[in-house]
Amino acid sequence: QSVLTQPPSVSAAPGQKVTISCSGSSSNIGNNYVSWYQQLPGTAPKLLIYDNNKRPSGIPDRFSGSKSGTSATLGITGLQTGDEADYYCGTWDSSLTIVVFGGGTKLTVL
Amino acid sequence: QVQLQESGPGLVKPSGTLSLTCAVSGGSISSTHWWSWVRQPPGKGLEWIGEIYHSGTTNYNPSLKSRVTISVDKSKNEFSLKLSSVTAADTALYYCATDAIPKVWGQGTLVTVSS
Repeated sequence: QSVLTQPPSVSAAPGQKVTISCSGSSSNIGNNYVSWYQQLPGTAPKLLIYDNNKRPSGIPDRFSGSKSGTSATLGITGLQTGDEADYYCGTWDSSLTIVVFGGGTKLTVL
Repeated sequence: QVQLQESGPGLVKPSGTLSLTCAVSGGSISSTHWWSWVRQPPGKGLEWIGEIYHSGTTNYNPSLKSRVTISVDKSKNEFSLKLSSVTAADTALYYCATDAIPKVWGQGTLVTVSS
């Protein structure tokens, strides 16, 4: 059971938009920055979003992040088959004093 | 751009100690980064193990704290993970990364606990 809650799976057609939610509490998302990761099959996670909504160099602006209260959202527009992957949210939990991750969301591009 | 590479035995016997090293290239381990370890059991999600600063200050996941040691070797520009008294539940892909909330990740190394 993960501290952060994500939907197990989402799907959408190529070219469409999808959002992935990440729900937590005041001890984690509510008072700390959120990061998002993409894990393509058989590869290491890759940072997509940090500090809630910032993109590292090289990450296209099709990927966006937002936070409201104790929830965060990853948005992906112009879906491509290459976006099929597992997506994880992560943040610091001030009560547990550890980094916590969501359980992951599998994105299928139909 | 900092790059990370994990290394260590891929098979550890039950009750033994898992030992991994993360080599840092493209930057100094004495920079402002914290350095962390994360693991992922096959087919499952991510679990944060702990972190270390170049000064040697550490933070560990309480669920593993009694068995974990993370250390840094500035002369070799690398940091290490030791996990003692391992069981099959410790079988996982082990990743090293920059920062507490990881930014740059190593490619990962699979460690299997089996006799």
